[in-house]
Amino acid sequence: EVQLLESGGGLVQPGGSLRLSCAASGFTFSSYAMNWVRQAPGKGLDWVSGISVSGTSTFYADSVKGRFTISRDNSKNTLYLHMNSLRAEDTAVYYCAKSSGSYSWFDPWGQGTLVTVSS
Amino acid sequence: EIVLTQSPGTLSLSPGERATLSCRASQSVSSSYLAWYQQKPGQAPRLLIYGASSRATGIPDRFGGSGSGTDFTLTITRLEPEDFAVYYCQQYGSSPKTFGQGTRVEIK
Repeated sequence: EVQLLESGGGLVQPGGSLRLSCAASGFTFSSYAMNWVRQAPGKGLDWVSGISVSGTSTFYADSVKGRFTISRDNSKNTLYLHMNSLRAEDTAVYYCAKSSGSYSWFDPWGQGTLVTVSS
Repeated sequence: EIVLTQSPGTLSLSPGERATLSCRASQSVSSSYLAWYQQKPGQAPRLLIYGASSRATGIPDRFGGSGSGTDFTLTITRLEPEDFAVYYCQQYGSSPKTFGQGTRVEIK
């Protein structure tokens, strides 16, 4: 069974940093592109970032470009999202999601991890 | 950036009724690279439809997708109690991979 398990969320002050992790199992992690999608409380879905199978190509939403960095460790079957200069508007549940390539749907999704940016 | 507009915002229907959800794109979606997801409270989104009309594994055939270009539709032919949820469309043909704002299907 394909499983994605996010961790690393929590409460952080504005301007702070956090690293999210997504542990993958049940499939060949190194063969699939991966993504981060967030959902602010009571709001819709917002794609944040994506990464190619090898990690050499990365993509970002304009709202996080220059502040967030996506990476992966294929030897550990783990996806990461390094978040710097956090703002109140970054408060959201962050989901990791598997996709087959650059032009592919997201399936499945992890259960999410909550990031709260507040003083 | 392709903007996806879903309508209606909320659909109030009874179990057994037919639901028709719309997703309109601000420009043509490449190769019908459009997906639909279902999200229930406290849960992650679940893929229903990809490629505008292909059902994902394990999705009942009462869910159907159609459309091309800028206009897409998700149809639930006969609502079951477990279908009351929020539905999102997503285009994945161009970056950024945008989502619609969602349609809530609620029990009337």
